[in-house]
Amino acid sequence: KAGVTQTPRYLIKTRGQQVTLSCSPISGHRSVSWYQQTPGQGLQFLFEYFSETQRNKGNFPGRFSGRQFSNSRSEMNVSTLELGDSALYLCASSPDGSPSNQPQHFGDGTRLSIL
Amino acid sequence: AQKITQTQPGMFVQEKEAVTLDCTYDTSDPSYGLFWYKQPSSGEMIFLIYQGSYDQQNATEGRYSLNFQKARKSANLVISASQLGDSAMYFCALVDQAGTALIFGKGTTLSVSS
Repeated sequence: KAGVTQTPRYLIKTRGQQVTLSCSPISGHRSVSWYQQTPGQGLQFLFEYFSETQRNKGNFPGRFSGRQFSNSRSEMNVSTLELGDSALYLCASSPDGSPSNQPQHFGDGTRLSIL
Repeated sequence: AQKITQTQPGMFVQEKEAVTLDCTYDTSDPSYGLFWYKQPSSGEMIFLIYQGSYDQQNATEGRYSLNFQKARKSANLVISASQLGDSAMYFCALVDQAGTALIFGKGTTLSVSS
């Protein structure tokens, strides 16, 4: 069974640009969550999608957005990039989005660097 | 507010020794779940073990076990017989009140030497 696939693995952008990251969940998983990992703030929850609906959102500015498609694949978009957006972005999938029932399975992440 | 605290930035252990990684949590929910994940230098997060607040027994998964002390709000991870491949960052996480996100601690870096 293929795992969670995130593309691209590495990305370099400049301030002010926008970026789109992609996540393909494990087959059959309907929930996709996104997390940002930085040395200073650690791992922080961005948002969670289930059946194309955003069910939960972390404390991030509106520049961070996401969506989920009917095949459960998800994208997140960051507009007007800032230096502080440099981070490892991790995507996780689970069957129903309830970590207490099934653990979230993570992808390898996309490492975004802002110059 | 829910919170996870991992007070050990780094731990050093020799192969075949056991090691305990500390985790304390704060939540007002009577029902909650706690996770441990491993993150090697390559970046992926690997699920290790889960403990539910109402589970009667401490969770175990192979060489991993949880020392769950509910009254003290601690969920320490015990790794028995450490291996070189155990060198990684370890995160303790709590399910948030919405039930769909994980709140992570700052992590503990474990270094295993031969």
